[in-house]
Amino acid sequence: QVQLQESGPGLVKPSGTLSLSCAVSGDSSSRCHWWGWVRQSPGKGLEWIGEISRGGHTNYNPSLRSRVTISVDESTNQFSLNLNSVTAADTAVYYCARVGCGYSFFDYWGQGILVTVSS
Amino acid sequence: DIQMTQSPSTLSASVGDRVTMTCRASQYISTWLAWYQQKPGKAPKLLIYKASTLGSGVPSKFSGSGSGTEFTLTITSLQPDDFATYYCQQYDTYPWTFGQGTKVEVK
Repeated sequence: QVQLQESGPGLVKPSGTLSLSCAVSGDSSSRCHWWGWVRQSPGKGLEWIGEISRGGHTNYNPSLRSRVTISVDESTNQFSLNLNSVTAADTAVYYCARVGCGYSFFDYWGQGILVTVSS
Repeated sequence: DIQMTQSPSTLSASVGDRVTMTCRASQYISTWLAWYQQKPGKAPKLLIYKASTLGSGVPSKFSGSGSGTEFTLTITSLQPDDFATYYCQQYDTYPWTFGQGTKVEVK
């Protein structure tokens, strides 16, 4: 059973950098899956942030591209999200998720982590 | 970006009802559409992908249909566990986008 678990600070100061990690377990089979980040805020609903392949290829939402970096560490089965220059508008629940094999829907999700941007 | 519009925003129903909700895309997306169920405080759960293919372990009471720009999700014999919010997502064109959700509530 594939499991994902987000971790990181729950509070980030304005203009700072939001850094989250996602630990993946139970997924040792196919290499075709990508890994993604989605966030959810009351004001904007569900928003796709970006995705990364095991080989490190990335796709980002253009609305966030200038501030986002997603990276992967295959040796530790983790992938990470960095979002810089954060504002209150970046306050949201952040989910990591596995992307379906060959298709960009999300078949497994982490439980989510609330990140609040506030001084 | 492709805009996904779900209707209704809220659907009031009773246990045992058959309910249908709609998702419309602002442009053609073939059948590259997924449906998710989300309960309060929980992550979304995949129900359907490719517009009509059930996700792993999803009961057949859930069904999806449609292609192009108009899609539906139907739930038969609504049970207490089915009261939740349902989201559609297109994965035809970057950036992937979600609908705003349909909340199924107790009538």
